[in-house]
Amino acid sequence: RKEVEQDPGPFNVPEGATVAFNCTYSNSASQSFFWYRQDCRKEPKLLMSVYSSGNEDGRFTAQLNRASQYISLLIRDSKLSDSATYLCVVSLGYSSASKIIFGSGTRLSIRP
Amino acid sequence: EAQVTQNPRYLITVTGKKLTVTCSQNMNHEYMSWYRQDPGLGLRQIYYSMNVEVTDKGDVPEGYKVSRKEKRNFPLILESPSPNQTSLYFCASSLSPGAYGYTFGSGTRLTVV
Repeated sequence: RKEVEQDPGPFNVPEGATVAFNCTYSNSASQSFFWYRQDCRKEPKLLMSVYSSGNEDGRFTAQLNRASQYISLLIRDSKLSDSATYLCVVSLGYSSASKIIFGSGTRLSIRP
Repeated sequence: EAQVTQNPRYLITVTGKKLTVTCSQNMNHEYMSWYRQDPGLGLRQIYYSMNVEVTDKGDVPEGYKVSRKEKRNFPLILESPSPNQTSLYFCASSLSPGAYGYTFGSGTRLTVV
């Protein structure tokens, strides 16, 4: 079983729709969580951190469910520019020595 | 502008010919890392460095070397490249990636023939 698992997609949704995807992690000791966005053939860019209380940034909402060991990303009123691959990242701690694990990504395609 | 700069962006080379991919950051980050990204396998860590003269192996270090003589630079060296090292490489830096996340360079697409 992979340490961090994501549905690879692609999720193909119309512009304006709400879309959500999850990421599960296997290590219950995981401490911090992030979502990154990666456009085709470009570098990953940090989208948002995921806090225990959840957090929202405009149309994006991230949630953490420690009991079931998953994090989620919700995108409301999706735009064409949201088309990208979304990477889930889990860290086993906050220090520099903590192991960082990347998911393989979920591909999202927004159609007009 | 805060950034991580990698060079070259694209590189085609032949098996066995030593090459270096450079990486430089201007954010005074202590932590730097190299990743490779392959279809279906995601990002895998090659080497990382927590400070000057401190480097350690990641998950896939075989065939690679790194050095950290200055805080801003973290070059990746392939002493004898082989075709299975054909990949997309990213350099990344952070104050502490588990706390703050990474800033990535633009990537180097390497092809070894």
